[in-house]
Amino acid sequence: AQSVTQLDSHVSVSEGTPVLLRCNYSSSYSPSLFWYVQHPNKGLQLLLKYTSAATLVKGINGFEAEFKKSETSFHLTKPSAHMSDAAEYFCVVSGNSGYALNFGKGTSLLVTP
Amino acid sequence: DGGITQSPKYLFRKEGQNVTLSCEQNLNHDAMYWYRQDPGQGLRLIYYSQIVNDFQKGDIAEGYSVSREKKESFPLTVTSAQKNPTAFYLCASTPGLADLKNIQYFGAGTRLSVL
Repeated sequence: AQSVTQLDSHVSVSEGTPVLLRCNYSSSYSPSLFWYVQHPNKGLQLLLKYTSAATLVKGINGFEAEFKKSETSFHLTKPSAHMSDAAEYFCVVSGNSGYALNFGKGTSLLVTP
Repeated sequence: DGGITQSPKYLFRKEGQNVTLSCEQNLNHDAMYWYRQDPGQGLRLIYYSQIVNDFQKGDIAEGYSVSREKKESFPLTVTSAQKNPTAFYLCASTPGLADLKNIQYFGAGTRLSVL
């Protein structure tokens, strides 16, 4: 069975400083991993996905994530936070069945001026 | 524009009442999903459908029902048996292509509250 743990429920950064949102996963086989973003009262938008190609994955809006198999981690980073990045972020792991997406509990990112 | 449309945006349910949440997609996707989102709990799968006229229970199907009579539509009924229906409900869909089947596209959600 696969699962995902987001290590921080809340992260606060100042505008212009780096962002780090941490995610660890467990899976009995090579997983597909995703980060989604959700702005208040909105649906989820795909930021990026890892599917066993390059371990450093670049997404939209300047975000990227690095797949580290030895650490079972898929942390999300951005060099410089923008006010518009304030949102809820979900780390997601998927298995081979296609439908079986397991969502982390989310990390709320606050960006202060 | 292609996408997933959920309606209504806000919905109120009286005790003992069944309510139906609409989800329509014009992406020609094969698979559709319903999730429930509660604060601090991420998303939990209620039902999913990989093809017309077929659907499967997810992790928290009790108190909910669905139908898939058309490819583009996957309505969710919250029945009176669901004792704690207050939540944000998200509909999603997935292309049928094998290399894209794990990417889900989401609607904007319906917020359901109990009167």
